[in-house]
Order: sequence, then structure tokens, then C-alpha cells
Amino acid sequence: KAGVTQTPRYLIKTRGQQVTLSCSPISGHRSVSWYQQTPGQGLQFLFEYFSETQRNKGNFPGRFSGRQFSNSRSEMNVSTLELGDSALYLCASSWMNTSFGETQYFGPGTRLLVL
Amino acid sequence: AQTVTQSQPEMSVQEAETVTLSCTYDTSENNYYLFWYKQPPSRQMILVIRQEAYKQQNATENRFSVNFQKAAKSFSLKISDSQLGDTAMYFCAFRVKTSYDKVIFGPGTSLSVIP
Repeated sequence: KAGVTQTPRYLIKTRGQQVTLSCSPISGHRSVSWYQQTPGQGLQFLFEYFSETQRNKGNFPGRFSGRQFSNSRSEMNVSTLELGDSALYLCASSWMNTSFGETQYFGPGTRLLVL
Repeated sequence: AQTVTQSQPEMSVQEAETVTLSCTYDTSENNYYLFWYKQPPSRQMILVIRQEAYKQQNATENRFSVNFQKAAKSFSLKISDSQLGDTAMYFCAFRVKTSYDKVIFGPGTSLSVIP
């Protein structure tokens, strides 16, 4: 099976702009989670989607939003970018039906730089 | 709220030696999963090993094993016969078993294997 793919891999934006990141999970996986990774804050949970429904949300401002499509692909959007949004954004998928201990499979990440 | 602590920001080990990475967590839950993830430099995060809290037997995966002390809320990772490819950030993570709660990651330990 193909792994989790994320596009784009690298992105440079300026403050005030908005950005959309995409994640395609492993075929058959229905759960997608998003994380922000920075050297100072580590891995911070953004949101989790399962069957097109947001099942969980982290402590991020409303500028961060996401959605999941019927084919389980997911997008996250950040509006009004700030310098502090520069980070590696990781997507992880899992089958996640009733077993919450299932392994999450991570994508390579999208590295966002806000200037 | 659940928290995960990794008290060793950086560690190093000689090739072929054994190293132990520490992880402690705080929760009032009784049923949960614990994970160790590995993130090599500029590469994708992958699961190293996982442990279900109700299982007393420590999980083992080849050269990787854990020491799970439920009463002490401790979950350390032992890497035997360290190899250069083990150089990576290692994250300890936690998830409640019967809940839609998010996966909580520790801050990570940067491990360098020295030839």
C-alpha cells in the first residue's frame, strides 16, 4: 500500500496570507489527525477526523480549520498567517474503528515558512 | 488532564551499546495505550513499539523493549545493540483506550548513536 502522502512538501508564505495543506491517508484508513511540530513546542495536536466528522480539536485559534472528504482525504487551512505558524505540519492516518490503540502512520509533513 | 514527560532532551550512545530513554505520564485513567515513535532526521515518524496498559508483560520488538511500570506511571524504552540508524528523535505518546481523546506526545528525546 502507498503510504500517507502530503502536499505540498514545502511552502513559503507571507504574513496575512492563507494556506491549504492536503493529506491523503493510506487506502482504507478512515481516521486522519493533524499535528504541528516546532522546535519550541514539540508536537501539538490540531484536529482529528473520522468519516468526515471532526472528532477532536486541539487548543489552536479559529484560524486553523480542517475538513475530511468522503474518500478520507483531508485538508487543513490556516488563514491570516502569522510568523509563529512556521512549522512542520504532520498528518497521520489510521484505520481507527473501535480500537483507539491503533498505530498512526505519519506522512512526511509539509514544511511551512511564514515570512 | 493527561501529560507525558520525557526528562532527557538529548542522549548519546556508542554503537553496539545499550541505551534507555525515560518517559513518565500522568493520568487518572486505567485503560490506555502507550507508544514510542521514532523520527529520524528529515524522515517520517514511525511507530517503534506500543504497550496496552492492561498487559503486564513488557512489549518487545527486536532490539527495542520497554519497561512498563504502571503504578509508577513509567514507560521507558531500551534499545539494545544500538545502530547508526537509530539516531533520531524519540517520542513517547499516550492515548486513553476507550475514548476519542487525542494522542498526547511527550517533548521528545534526541538520540545520537556514535560510531
